[in-house]
Amino acid sequence: ETGVTQTPRHLVMGMTNKKSLKCEQHLGHNAMYWYKQSAKKPLELMFVYSLEERVENNSVPSRFSPECPNSSHLFLHLHTLQPEDSALYLCASSQGTDGYGYTFGSGTRLTVV
Amino acid sequence: GIQVEQSPPDLILQEGANSTLRCNFSDSVNNLQWFHQNPWGQLINLFYIPSGTKQNGRLSATTVATERYSLLYISSSQTTDSGVYFCAVERNYGGSQGNLIFGKGTKLSVKP
Repeated sequence: ETGVTQTPRHLVMGMTNKKSLKCEQHLGHNAMYWYKQSAKKPLELMFVYSLEERVENNSVPSRFSPECPNSSHLFLHLHTLQPEDSALYLCASSQGTDGYGYTFGSGTRLTVV
Repeated sequence: GIQVEQSPPDLILQEGANSTLRCNFSDSVNNLQWFHQNPWGQLINLFYIPSGTKQNGRLSATTVATERYSLLYISSSQTTDSGVYFCAVERNYGGSQGNLIFGKGTKLSVKP
């Protein structure tokens, strides 16, 4: 375990479903991130939260909705997804830019049918 | 934005061999990390190395920030080293939190 826990590990959902991905970190970090990893593409940053405030949204479709209720928890709410949204969704955390680097969770493998 | 180029894209080694993976980046960065992604998708942080040289067991890394490249050395490779190795760099964003820009990775297969 890296200190960043993601649930569920696997998720299959229909295009009309609503589901949520959860990320929890126990490292005392003050920033959390959602990344998307699709086949044959580099990891793409989706959302950045610093001190519980969203600081970047890389033009992610509105069918993805993040929530950061506190510095230890991050959610990604999903609704009316498309099959092309099937991917590995990775959560990460960091302690600012103090030089400690980023720590990633194990990811949620999402399949949209 | 910053471009991150990794080479080679694929690498096949015989167990016990040594290898060098390269990461070139197009602009100044505050942070550079090497990750290993195992077959189950877990990204493991290998090195935080914006400059200089670090070693951890059979792995070592060197970043020459002025020339915008980093190298990851794997010595006496083992089958458990198989997976994808990513280089990622961080840029400043509005003076607050940065974010990591990833290369496409080097897929390493170590054969017994």
